[in-house]
Amino acid sequence: GAVVSQHPSRVICKSGTSVKIECRSLDFQATTMFWYRQFPKQSLMLMATSNEGSKATYEQGVEKDKFLINHASLTLSTLTVTSAHPEDSSFYICSARGTLTYNEQFFGPGTRLTVL
Amino acid sequence: KNEVEQSPQNLTAQEGEFITINCSYSVGISALHWLQQHPGGGIVSLFMLSSGKKKHGRLIATINIQEKHSSLHITASHPRDSAVYICAVRWNTDKLIFGTGTRLQVFP
Repeated sequence: GAVVSQHPSRVICKSGTSVKIECRSLDFQATTMFWYRQFPKQSLMLMATSNEGSKATYEQGVEKDKFLINHASLTLSTLTVTSAHPEDSSFYICSARGTLTYNEQFFGPGTRLTVL
Repeated sequence: KNEVEQSPQNLTAQEGEFITINCSYSVGISALHWLQQHPGGGIVSLFMLSSGKKKHGRLIATINIQEKHSSLHITASHPRDSAVYICAVRWNTDKLIFGTGTRLQVFP
C-alpha cells in the first residue's frame, strides 16, 4: 500500500511555456503533499507544503507565482511551472502523507523537466 | 552547514560485504527516515524510526537518540543495492531535512 504516482515522468518543453505535473496518492488519502526539487548530485530541497483544501505554504526563495500548487482533493496535487525557463530544468518529486500513514511520507517516482 | 551529515559520501563494495552508512544530526528530532534513490531518480522509503532498531530483509536501521546518530546496515550486499541512500530528519514540523546522500556501488 501507500503508493504515490506522478505524471508525466519526463517532460521537455520550450522556454516560456507552462508545464503541469500531477501527484496522486493511489491507495490512501493524502492530507498533506510536499513538492521537492532536486538538482543533479544535490539533495532534495522542499519547495512547498500543501494541505488539502488550503493554500500551499512555500519555502523561502520559492516564487509562488511561478510554481503554482493546487491540492484540490485528498488524492491529487498539481504543480504548474509557469513561463518555464532553462534554469527550471530539474527533477521534481512529490511526497504524500495521510492520516493513516502515521506521519510517514511516501514519495512519488519524480518528474524530470527539461526546458529548452 | 547542513544540519544532517552523512558518511561516507561514496562507498564501493564487493558483493556479499556488510555495509554501514552513517547519519548524524544536530538537534533533537521527532523522526528519522532512510530513503533509497535509484539512478532513475525514484525514491523509496526504507525506514522511519524514532528510537531503537528496525529490520526489513537484509536492511537494518538503528538510531541513538542521545548521540543524535543513526546507521543503515546492509547485510550480504548485492549489485541491485547500488543506489543513493539518503537520511532525512523531521523535527517538530512536517518538514524533512535531507542529508546529501551516500552513493553506494556494489560490484559482483
